Parts: sequence; C-alpha cells; structure tokens
Amino acid sequence: EPEVTQTPSHQVTQMGQEVILRCVPISNHLYFYWYRQILGQKVEFLVSFYNNEISEKSEIFDDQFSVERPDGSNFTLKIRSTKLEDSAMYFCASMWDWSYEQYFGPGTRLTVT
Amino acid sequence: AQKVTQAQTEISVVEKEDVTLDCVYETRDTTYYLFWYKQPPSGELVFLIRRNSFDEQNEISGRYSWNFQKSTSSFNFTITASQVVDSAVYFCALSRNAGGTSYGKLTFGQGTILTVHP
Repeated sequence: EPEVTQTPSHQVTQMGQEVILRCVPISNHLYFYWYRQILGQKVEFLVSFYNNEISEKSEIFDDQFSVERPDGSNFTLKIRSTKLEDSAMYFCASMWDWSYEQYFGPGTRLTVT
Repeated sequence: AQKVTQAQTEISVVEKEDVTLDCVYETRDTTYYLFWYKQPPSGELVFLIRRNSFDEQNEISGRYSWNFQKSTSSFNFTITASQVVDSAVYFCALSRNAGGTSYGKLTFGQGTILTVHP
C-alpha cells in the first residue's frame, strides 16, 4: 500500500540553525500539507501546497518557514533559524483530491537545543 | 472560524468495556467533512473515518461506530468491547468542503487519551 515517508525520523539542531525536513508524498496525490504537534498538544496546521504554490498557511507559518516541491516527488519544509519553541513533531500529509482523506507520514521529531 | 472540542482529556477503561469519545465542532460552513484519527504510542496518525456533512447516517466498522448528529454538532466515536491495543490518543478533525476556496486544511481537537487496562 502506498505511504507517505518522512526523513529524518528525529533531528536535533541548535537554536539559530537551519533545518530541512523532507517528505515523499504518495505519488499520484495533488495536495500536500505540513502540520506540527508540540509534545502533548493537538496537531496544528502549518501550510497547504497545491499546483506548485502555497494555497493556505496558518499564523504559525511565518517568514522563518518555507516549503518546496523541488523535483516532483519530494516535499520539504525549511525552518531558516530555529527557535526552542519549534521543537515538535512535524507531520507531512498528502491527499489525492480535496474531497478525500489525508494520509499522514510517520513524522519527524525536531528537537531544538 | 472552525473549532473542534474534545472535552474528555483522558479516559481509562478496563478491557471489554465499551467507551465513547465525544467530539463537538463549530463551523459556519453548510458543508464540511469530519474525521477521526488514531495516534498510537508509536506516534503516527492513522486515519479511521471521514464523514461528509450531507450524510448523517451512523457508521459501524467492526468494533468501531460513529454517531453523527448535525443538530448538536457532534460526531462521537464508540469502541465496543475495548482492547488493550485500542490504547492511543484519538483526534477528531474538521475540514471545509469548499473546493476551490479551501484546500483540505484539517482543524484538530485536543485529543482524548484512551487507556485500556487488561
């Protein structure tokens, strides 16, 4: 069964460093998302991406964040200068059509020290 | 704005008990989708069900059943004869059904931690 994959599973970085979280969505899906979950809290929407551009973003997704789909298969989330409060689990999701369900990847745990 | 409330933070039951997880939502949209996801201790998010707001029929899948009541804006989830493997965090979520003006963003509730004891 096709699945969304994410790498790395865990990343530790120092405050102020740039990180890139990578995702490979399901191959025929058209909509792509990033969510984050701070430990013990709910899952929060960050950004949606469709037709090679951001379609919607939350207030969390400020200028420190960016997304790319560089080669038609990968979907990346970049945080330019990490802060302690960026420590969270980051989930990538993809969906074939907006009327269907989103499939989530296993997540990348980001720890900022 | 959309909002999902799961008032039960934690529920603890003994195996074979039935348990109902509550979900109440708020939306101004007339059409929308409701979801339940399971997050086991391993951390991934597992899709359980999607329900279109047009369809108010209850659904049963094995030991799982869902009760959608539009009049009370609730979408409750019942596990019958619970098992230890059901222990997880369960999230209710809501998305707009607005096609070109919405791209499927999910709004999640706070989650309910379910612990099933042997």
